[in-house]
Amino acid sequence: GAGVSQSPRYKVAKRGQDVALRCDPISGHVSLFWYQQALGQGPEFLTYFQNEAQLDKSGLPSDRFFAERPEGSVSTLKIQRTQQEDSAVYLCASSLGQGKSGANVLTFGAGSRLTVL
Amino acid sequence: AQSVTQLGSHVSVSEGALVLLRCNYSSSVPPYLFWYVQYPNQGLQLLLKYTSAATLVKGINGFEAEFKKSETSFHLTKPSAHMSDAAEYFCAVSPNYGGATNKLIFGTGTLLAVQP
Repeated sequence: GAGVSQSPRYKVAKRGQDVALRCDPISGHVSLFWYQQALGQGPEFLTYFQNEAQLDKSGLPSDRFFAERPEGSVSTLKIQRTQQEDSAVYLCASSLGQGKSGANVLTFGAGSRLTVL
Repeated sequence: AQSVTQLGSHVSVSEGALVLLRCNYSSSVPPYLFWYVQYPNQGLQLLLKYTSAATLVKGINGFEAEFKKSETSFHLTKPSAHMSDAAEYFCAVSPNYGGATNKLIFGTGTLLAVQP
């Protein structure tokens, strides 16, 4: 597609529920990133894929967070047993590059806003 | 570890006035630096980037930023603010050394308000 597409745009979950957030990157983009943006804060890195390989997951806050990109295109971020502190906007970004050059520009999706009650 | 600091979480200017949004970085080697803009309920859009070529970088919508190594700064400016510039602005740093993931590390953002 023309841009990075994320779904759902808005998700309300009860505490303890599992949620899955989807990201469709720009076609042909090798690198895919997930960020978490809490209210009033800057985006914080969660995890990074190069094709289907998850090369960096240092930002995942707990083992309740899991991300996959099985065919090197669409990615899913799954949060198990959601907690109120998980409420945030989850941003997906993709870039053409291999991830080794910091000059590669990331294109961001509009985000998925998760509210945990 | 690399980081960026944005001074001023809220900046208010009058329409037509100079816009100056401050960003200082911390890095052992000159990094790549970026400014992104975020409009309400939208994703981040790249304004400009510094990748060790020219120190004065021109971006979209009339914005520019100057990389100053001696001051470890990358401030964003625009000579004349427009109402449509009201948004949140994020400075970001990315590593510039071999083997590093090019993940962006963001500042906490500056919310720009433009008064008529």
